[in-house]
Amino acid sequence: QVQLVESGGGVVQPGRSLRLSCAASGYTFSNYAMHWLRQAPGNGLEWVALISYGGGNKYYADSVKGRFTISRDNSKNTLYLQMNSLRAEDTAVYYCARGPMYDSSNCYMDYWGQGTLVTVSS
Amino acid sequence: EIVLTQSPATLSLSPGERATLSCRASQSVSTYLAWYQQKPGQAPRLLIYDASNRATGTPARFSGSGSGTDFTLTISSLEPEDFAVYYCQQRSNWPPLTFGGGTKVEIK
Repeated sequence: QVQLVESGGGVVQPGRSLRLSCAASGYTFSNYAMHWLRQAPGNGLEWVALISYGGGNKYYADSVKGRFTISRDNSKNTLYLQMNSLRAEDTAVYYCARGPMYDSSNCYMDYWGQGTLVTVSS
Repeated sequence: EIVLTQSPATLSLSPGERATLSCRASQSVSTYLAWYQQKPGQAPRLLIYDASNRATGTPARFSGSGSGTDFTLTISSLEPEDFAVYYCQQRSNWPPLTFGGGTKVEIK
């Protein structure tokens, strides 16, 4: 069965960096695009970034553009989110989720990890 | 950016009742809209995609309808496990992919 497991969350000071990982199993990771999304405490869902199945195309929300970088290692079945210049408003549970197969425009999220909490605080 | 507005914010119903949730888009999204369910402490789960298609494992009591700017998620008869928060999401015009603010279905 499809499994996505995030790691790397924690407490970090404003302005510092953190890298999240998402380990995928149960399907052919390299055939699917992948998303990062987040949910601030008590709030709704916010899409953060998408990377294509091969890693060549990346898309970002304006709120993180220039500070966050999505990447993947298909040989390790792992997705990453490098977060730099963190702000208090980046505090959230971060989820990875499976996106569309190959170049499909079907940009929904059909499987989600359980999330990892990032707290930005001094 | 396409803004999705969900209503009502909270829906108080009893098990066995019918639930009708609304999602309105700031511009047409054709039928490129999905619905997700999120229970406390859990990740969201895809229920409906492309407005009316049930995702794998979605019970038949869940149905989606609509096109353009107005969409509805209907739960025909609420089961105890259906009390949760529901979000709509569009993929018509992105980035960014956007979500509505959510509707909480609570037990009356």
